[in-house]
Amino acid sequence: GAGVSQSPSNKVTEKGKDVELRCDPISGHTALYWYRQSLGQGLEFLIYFQGNSAPDKSGLPSDRFSAERTGGSVSTLTIQRTQQEDSAVYLCASSLATRTEAFFGQGTRLTVV
Amino acid sequence: SQQGEEDPQALSIQEGENATMNCSYKTSINNLQWYRQNSGRGLVHLILIRSNEREKHSGRLRVTLDTSKKSSSLLITASRAADTASYFCATDPGGGYGKLTFGQGTILTVHP
Repeated sequence: GAGVSQSPSNKVTEKGKDVELRCDPISGHTALYWYRQSLGQGLEFLIYFQGNSAPDKSGLPSDRFSAERTGGSVSTLTIQRTQQEDSAVYLCASSLATRTEAFFGQGTRLTVV
Repeated sequence: SQQGEEDPQALSIQEGENATMNCSYKTSINNLQWYRQNSGRGLVHLILIRSNEREKHSGRLRVTLDTSKKSSSLLITASRAADTASYFCATDPGGGYGKLTFGQGTILTVHP
């Protein structure tokens, strides 16, 4: 595709349910990032995949959060047993390699009610 | 914790004026990047400056980097109402494998 694609654009879920957020990076990009942004705040790093290296999971806020990247392409961020504080915009970005600019998707706005 | 910290948190100017935003960071970097965000959704890359560069230009944008002070500035000249957005700096650390860490951002409002 022409850019980074995220789905769904918006997700409303009930507290305690699991959700899956999807990110399709730009073809050929080896690096993929997930960030979380609460209203009016900066970007909170969640997880980073780079090629075949072990992902950097240092930003995941709890063990309810996990992410995988299949075949070095599509990534899924899973949040189990969602809580109201998980409500935020989840942003995915990819880059051709390290040390280069990142291209962002439009994000998934998650609302936990 | 955030690597970059922007200031001011908010900036309000008139169209035609220049806007300057600053970013400070704590650890060594390979490069520093500036991004723009409209309406709280996807970010758009503006400019990347490497640690061995001191100044870079792109159109009406001018970025400086002072690695001795661990700081960078973004200057937007002759601002337009369409420049109204949030601006973030992001640092790519030296060593490791390039995890981008973002600051809290500066909200710029340009009044017509």
